[in-house]
Amino acid sequence: GDSVTQMEGPVTLSEEAFLTINCTYTATGYPSLFWYVQYPGEGLQLLLKATKADDKGSNKGFEATYRKETTSFHLEKGSVQVSDSAVYFCALRRSGGSNYKLTFGKGTLLTVNP
Amino acid sequence: ETGVTQSPTHLIKTRGQQVTLRCSSQSGHNTVSWYQQALGQGPQFIFQYYREEENGRGNFPPRFSGLQFPNYTSELNVNALELDDSALYLCASSLDLAGGGYEQYFGPGTRLTVT
Repeated sequence: GDSVTQMEGPVTLSEEAFLTINCTYTATGYPSLFWYVQYPGEGLQLLLKATKADDKGSNKGFEATYRKETTSFHLEKGSVQVSDSAVYFCALRRSGGSNYKLTFGKGTLLTVNP
Repeated sequence: ETGVTQSPTHLIKTRGQQVTLRCSSQSGHNTVSWYQQALGQGPQFIFQYYREEENGRGNFPPRFSGLQFPNYTSELNVNALELDDSALYLCASSLDLAGGGYEQYFGPGTRLTVT
């Protein structure tokens, strides 16, 4: 079945440091890939997405590139801020089929210190 | 455009009881999905409703059931609650069309504690 594997957290960085959170997936066909962010006490917000190989999703300084050959979708940001502290989830949605459920990784807690 | 809302925010129930969680989708969205997020884990797909009919189910027992209504509201019902049902329950609405699914918008969740 479909699965998503994220790097284990927690990740602690200083403000303005470079961020990478690794994500790899297993799925048949060509799924769409997503990064969601969850701030404390809140639901999930879509951060960025990519729907086909070599697409780059970007938002709020975050980027991720859909790599079909390595089945990866790593999240990066060049300079993190304290306000980026949250839990980040990588997810996939299989293309085709009868429903469009999301399959999530376990999440990576990011803490950014001033 | 209103967002996705859920009620109640928090709920405490006793093992063996039944619970109903509610979700109000974004206007115009024809699909609602429910997810269970255990502490420290990613959300797990429970089921999805499309135009008021179940349209896919994850690995959850039949005591988890749902309803979707024409007025963009939906319910998740859980019977015979177990301690392991303690989790954050998230609903997500989307406008899905034949041949493609679109972005799922999540509500803030209902935190269920079973004692």
